[in-house]
Amino acid sequence: EAQVTQNPRYLITVTGKKLTVTCSQNMNHEYMSWYRQDPGLGLRQIYYSMNVEATDKGDVPEGYKVSRKEKRNFPLILESPSPNQTSLYFCASSLLGGGGGDTQYFGPGTRLTVL
Amino acid sequence: SQQGEEDPQALSIQEGENATMNCSYKTSINNLQWYRQNSGRGLVHLILIRSNEREKHSGRLRVTLDTSKKSSSLLITASRAADTASYFCATRPIQGAQKLVFGQGTRLTINP
Repeated sequence: EAQVTQNPRYLITVTGKKLTVTCSQNMNHEYMSWYRQDPGLGLRQIYYSMNVEATDKGDVPEGYKVSRKEKRNFPLILESPSPNQTSLYFCASSLLGGGGGDTQYFGPGTRLTVL
Repeated sequence: SQQGEEDPQALSIQEGENATMNCSYKTSINNLQWYRQNSGRGLVHLILIRSNEREKHSGRLRVTLDTSKKSSSLLITASRAADTASYFCATRPIQGAQKLVFGQGTRLTINP
């Protein structure tokens, strides 16, 4: 089954404790992206990756890191989480990332709470 | 910066009625997409319309795009309880085409 998986689905942590949220897709997609969703703000893009070893900042990259060493994986790293990073996080992938017409496939989401 | 803005923010209708949601955006786009999100879950792609298209259909969905007004509408006909969800428009700008910019969404409730 074609899908995007994220782990963990739920996470409660404390300020400053490094964490990684994993994202994996099995569709051989080139483009992957991370979003956060907050009430009243919709989805905001954190980082995206056009392909292996090619990542770039989205609209709200501060406090986050990503890597793309393999095509299927795109982990999101919070080196020192803070309470303002409490949010619902989504990973997404698509075949293409440019303007050629594409649809994004979303993971189920990771609900992160930073105390 | 927010590109797409949906209107209304919330819509409640009776089952069987049609639901119309609107999206406005600011910059020139390659395409505009609509997604559905059931409560707290991942978004699901519904339909994509390219900048050179004016109308597109998919089942009970009809999307229009007016690039001169920088606006789009999503019509769901003969609504069902299962259509209850949040609906988001997302634009693929010509400048910065690697990004897909989402609006804040319309919360649609279908009453039985």
